[in-house]
Amino acid sequence: QQQVKQSPQSLIVQKGGIPIINCAYENTAFDYFPWYQQFPGKGPALLIAIRPDVSEKKEGRFTISFNKSAKQFSLHIMDSQPGDSATYFCAAVRASGTYKYIFGTGTRLKVLA
Amino acid sequence: DADVTQTPRNRITKTGKRIMLECSQTKGHDRMYWYRQDPGLGLRLIYYSFDVKDINKGEISDGYSVSRQAQAKFSLSLESAIPNQTALYFCATSHRWDEQFFGPGTRLTVL
Repeated sequence: QQQVKQSPQSLIVQKGGIPIINCAYENTAFDYFPWYQQFPGKGPALLIAIRPDVSEKKEGRFTISFNKSAKQFSLHIMDSQPGDSATYFCAAVRASGTYKYIFGTGTRLKVLA
Repeated sequence: DADVTQTPRNRITKTGKRIMLECSQTKGHDRMYWYRQDPGLGLRLIYYSFDVKDINKGEISDGYSVSRQAQAKFSLSLESAIPNQTALYFCATSHRWDEQFFGPGTRLTVL
């Protein structure tokens, strides 16, 4: 069964720290890797995404690092703020056929003030 | 107004009851999805629909059914609710494959 393994399950950092969330996938047919951010009481929302033809993508304080040979990708949050406290989900998508998303199990991040 | 709405937002029901969760969207998207979220398990796809005449099972469809009444409406039914269906349920929509838009969720408790 296709899986996306996400770690850690929870993470606590001080303000200004750089939390890193890791994901690993198995199926090499995946070719789109988004990260979703979910605040309490809200639905997930797209944060940033990457295609496997690049090794890194930055949007503001958020960076995705992608290692195609290792089938791993990670989210880095630079200069983390208390407002970044949320649950983060990685996902893998096969951008052909049914386009179903396979989500990771989520990481609950808390940034201390 | 929210683009993707879900009703009810919270529901408590008893084992064996049939219940329906409703999703409406004003984004004009053809594709709609139902997920359930459980602690430690992430988001898992229950059913998805790419247009009114297209319904597909996701990875955990047993015990659930859906109805796509119109482009904007996609309902999820639990035919006979059981306690392990207690979860947070999300509806989502998309126009293309590269972004899904989620509703606010329905918290369902089955006693």
